[in-house]
Amino acid sequence: EIVLTQSPDFQSVTPKEKVTITCRASQSIGSSLHWYQQKPDQSPKLLIKYASQSISGVPSRFSGSGSGTDFTLTINSLEAEDAATYYCHQSSSLPWTFGQGTKVEIK
Amino acid sequence: EVQLVESGGGLVQPGGSLRLSCAASGFTFSSYEMNWVRQAPGKGLDWVSYISSSGNTIYDADSVKGRFTISRDNAKNSLFLQMNSLRAEDTAVYYCARGPRYFDLWGRGTLVTVSS
Repeated sequence: EIVLTQSPDFQSVTPKEKVTITCRASQSIGSSLHWYQQKPDQSPKLLIKYASQSISGVPSRFSGSGSGTDFTLTINSLEAEDAATYYCHQSSSLPWTFGQGTKVEIK
Repeated sequence: EVQLVESGGGLVQPGGSLRLSCAASGFTFSSYEMNWVRQAPGKGLDWVSYISSSGNTIYDADSVKGRFTISRDNAKNSLFLQMNSLRAEDTAVYYCARGPRYFDLWGRGTLVTVSS
C-alpha cells in the first residue's frame, strides 16, 4: 500500500499569505496525485487532478506541482473562505489512498 | 443539477448489516465509474470500494473485503453498498464519489454508526 504523508498537519495563516502543503508518497506514483478541499461539515471538493491539472470552477490561486514522490499544493493569496482541510490522494495503484490531511486555519 | 445523494445510514449493532444507496442525477450515470469513500468521525478520508461503469469490475479495500459488496443499477441511476458483519471501526460518514481515478463529484454522505 502506498502511504501518503502530508506536511504540515496544521497551518495558521494570515489572509493574502501564500500557503504551501506538501505530500510525499512512499513510492513513485508518477503524476497520479490529486488534491481535495474539505470545509467543515461539507463533502470533499476536487481542486487539482494529476498533480498539476486545474479543475473548472476552482479559483486560479490554487495550483499543484510535482511528480514521482514529492508533490505540492500552493494557495496564492489565501482568502478567508479557504479555511479547510486539504487532502492528497493517489490513484497510481490499489488500494487508492489519501494523505492524513492538512488543516488550514485563518488567523 | 448534477448531484449524488446517499441514503440508508443509521445505527446498527456490531455484526449487523446495512445497505447504502446513492442516487445519481444530472449526468449519464451509466458512463461513469463510481466509488465509496468513508470518513470516521474527526478522521481523514478512506477509500472503500470501486465499481466500473458496467459493473463488471470491482475493487475493495482489504479492510472491507468479504464483508462489503458494491453494486449498481444503471437503469435506476443508483449505486449501492451492502455492508455485512459490521464492526465498530466501520463507523463513519459514507460518501459516494464519481470517477475512475480522481473523484470529481461527491455526495453529502450518510452516517453509519456501529454500536451496541
